[in-house]
This record gives sequence, C-alpha cells and structure tokens, in this order.
Amino acid sequence: QQPVQSPQAVILREGEDAVINCSSSKALYSVHWYRQKHGEAPVFLMILLKGGEQKGHEKISASFNEKKQQSSLYLTASQLSYSGTYFCGTEMRSNSGYALNFGKGTSLLVTP
Amino acid sequence: NAGVTQTPKFRVLKTGQSMTLLCAQDMNHEYMYWYRQDPGMGLRLIHYSVGEGTTAKGEVPDGYNVSRLKKQNFLLGLESAAPSQTSVYFCASSRTSGNTDTQYFGPGTRLTVL
Repeated sequence: QQPVQSPQAVILREGEDAVINCSSSKALYSVHWYRQKHGEAPVFLMILLKGGEQKGHEKISASFNEKKQQSSLYLTASQLSYSGTYFCGTEMRSNSGYALNFGKGTSLLVTP
Repeated sequence: NAGVTQTPKFRVLKTGQSMTLLCAQDMNHEYMYWYRQDPGMGLRLIHYSVGEGTTAKGEVPDGYNVSRLKKQNFLLGLESAAPSQTSVYFCASSRTSGNTDTQYFGPGTRLTVL
C-alpha cells in the first residue's frame, strides 16, 4: 500500500520554509525520503528508523512519529536547488525480504 | 565505478512485441529492484530481488517477469507488451536490506508501447 503524501504540490519563494508529510495506514519501521529532479533518477535524502536513528545528509531534517505512523520532511530557508519531486518510501515486508512502497510524490518549486 | 546502469535508454514497441530491459550494478549490492513511474502515480515496485537467483513480486507485477542469474544483473521482461506498459522504468540497488539501506537508482528507460 502506497503511503499518502501531502501536499501534492507547493510553490515557494527562495528562503521560505516548507513541510512535506507522509502517512501510512500500516505500522512504520522506517521511512525513506528521496528527491527527483525533472528528467533524472531519484536520489537518496534520508532514512529515519524506528527508535530515532536518522541517516542522511544535506540541510534537510525530518521527523518520524511511530505512533501516528507519520513522517515529515522539513525544508528550511529553501534554495532554488531544492526544486523537484519528493517521495517518501515506507517499508514493505514479505517472506522474500524487504522493499519500499513509495508515495505519489510532492512537487516542490522554488522561485527566485 | 558506473553505479547502476540501464539498457536501453529509450524504446518504442508495438503491442504484442516482447523485450528485455537490462539493469547492471557494479557495487556488489545484494538487493535490486524494478520500478515503473507514471505521471501522478509515483514510483511503483514491479519486482525485486534479495540476492542472486531469488526474485519476489512487488505492487504491480502482472505482465512482467524478472531474472537474477548473476548478482550484478537484474533483467525485466515484457512477454507481450501492452499500451498500459508505456512508462519510465527505473532500476535500483541497495547494499543490504531494502528497509534500512540507501537505494541507488539507474537513469531510467523510457518505454512507449503503440
């Protein structure tokens, strides 16, 4: 089941802040965030693990609320380079191993 | 170190034709994945593999088959292409388990089925 992302799209001016949300109907063990620029492949941003561990880089932060089955990505003092589509991925477990279910994405446009 | 590569980059097929998409990675990753991306639908998992010789179904496996005969390669086959399979296909790999490790994506294959 795909996680649900909100908002679907957001337009910012350079320097403004944005929050992108990701929620799941299933219990979350980890949440992954990726960014995709137009015509390119998705690129890893961050992983948040149950228990609070966070792996990532760049000037982007995120939170993970296990009880609410939600994660939020915080983009502060946005830059033009932040434009793109942001995807959250939640864990999919099966007898064969683990994979990710990605949301439909949030399109972010940062304007000068 | 090329990372994840995909062949071909573009392809146009007629309905009913077959083809194979090749994904190769040179990072010695255990896990490999195939996704399709359609406008407004995000990335949807087709099939994945947790190691050489093993494959598993994802969200949208119908109409596709896969094989992982070598650790570095993951093949996606369309036996009888349909217009609904027009999409951009991404391959990805991760060093270990897909729930705790980074996925590295290839550049994508744009497939059009007429």
